Amino acid sequence: DTGVSQDPRHKITKRGQNVTFRCDPISEHNRLYWYRQTLGQGPEFLTYFQNEAQLEKSRLLSDRFSAERPKGSFSTLEIQRTEQGDSAMYLCASSLRSGGTYEQYFGPGTRLTVT
Amino acid sequence: GIQVEQSPPDLILQEGANSTLRCNFSDSVNNLQWFHQNPWGQLINLFYIPSGTKQNGRLSATTVATERYSLLYISSSQTTDSGVYFCAAVIISSGSARQLTFGSGTQLTVLP
Repeated sequence: DTGVSQDPRHKITKRGQNVTFRCDPISEHNRLYWYRQTLGQGPEFLTYFQNEAQLEKSRLLSDRFSAERPKGSFSTLEIQRTEQGDSAMYLCASSLRSGGTYEQYFGPGTRLTVT
Repeated sequence: GIQVEQSPPDLILQEGANSTLRCNFSDSVNNLQWFHQNPWGQLINLFYIPSGTKQNGRLSATTVATERYSLLYISSSQTTDSGVYFCAAVIISSGSARQLTFGSGTQLTVLP
């Protein structure tokens, strides 16, 4: 069990560019989540997948954001036409039902800076 | 609205002291977790505790679901305990089956 991994760990981009982040969940975890954390705040939910199906999306997920999990394993989060307000830590988590619980495990995050 | 509130926002301790962090939530929960966020931003799982009491070494947690609060106890604190502690819950009335709602965290500083 290698834990949740995310790539890249850091990304600096210019306003208006597109960026894509990748998340690899813990092996066999069928649920995958994306959260965003800005400085001094707790993480905020963005979206959630069960296998390849995107089941929940937050109002925070504007039209410029899209997430996929095509084969029910890794997931990608794309931000189009980035804005300075998109600067944040993007966190991925995964979970597997075990004994009726859904404990979420988080990756190290991707820190995005939009200049 | 749906809320998870943590107190205190900041806590400074001398090494060896004990501390209690509190988390209040606005409605019934079916998942409650405590995390420690290290300086690099990684969220470390401490407890999954929607109800009852658990202990892990110097840390323990208690959730009283009927009164909508959870407590995290840290005993004999060490400098390595420093960081931000988050409480997060899946609140049943939120309409989401899986979304964790986080509190704003408690920034703990343990001085040598």
